[in-house]
Amino acid sequence: LAKTTQPISMDSYEGQEVNITCSHNNIATNDYITWYQQFPSQGPRFIIQGYKTKVTNEVASLFIPADRKSSTLSLPRVSLSDTAVYYCLVGGGVKAAGNKLTFGGGTRVLVKP
Amino acid sequence: DSGVTQTPKHLITATGQRVTLRCSPRSGDLSVYWYQQSLDQGLQFLIQYYNGEERAKGNILERFSAQQFPDLHSELNLSSLELGDSALYFCASSTWDTPGRQPQHFGDGTRLSIL
Repeated sequence: LAKTTQPISMDSYEGQEVNITCSHNNIATNDYITWYQQFPSQGPRFIIQGYKTKVTNEVASLFIPADRKSSTLSLPRVSLSDTAVYYCLVGGGVKAAGNKLTFGGGTRVLVKP
Repeated sequence: DSGVTQTPKHLITATGQRVTLRCSPRSGDLSVYWYQQSLDQGLQFLIQYYNGEERAKGNILERFSAQQFPDLHSELNLSSLELGDSALYFCASSTWDTPGRQPQHFGDGTRLSIL
């Protein structure tokens, strides 16, 4: 079962780029990496997902090195509304019983004006 | 709005009791997932169902059970409740049974408080 580790918190300023790294040393071959954003009193919301190399969408980029033992979520030009907790999730690539999902502990990002 | 509906939003009960949490997945989604979120344990995957069948199990206690019905809604049953079961319980849904390859859509959770 993949164990995932993230920094507990980080501060940034409006307009800056925020990079959050998740460590998952024992990621399995079939595991995918997904990042979610969570605001207080709400469920997590999907940001981006990948398996290897780099993935980019309209809100974020995900960098995954060749060994896949870590991944970095990059949020370009953050705004105050990006203040939230960000979670990485490892697993979910197998269409079979026993496919486990492991969340990191979450990174609390505070964006300051 | 994720399209996933969880009821009730809040539940207060006592130790030793049994409760049922309900989840209606997003229209068209066949997979349902249950998670527990507590301050000291973070988000913990409990169990996944796909089209009525159990697909994967995480850190779900034996006192907890779940099922997915033919109309695809799901229920999580928690029995012999302990103080440590106080937490937010989230349901999520996705189209297929490989959550790593597609987004999961989360409800806003049921907050369970054990007195």
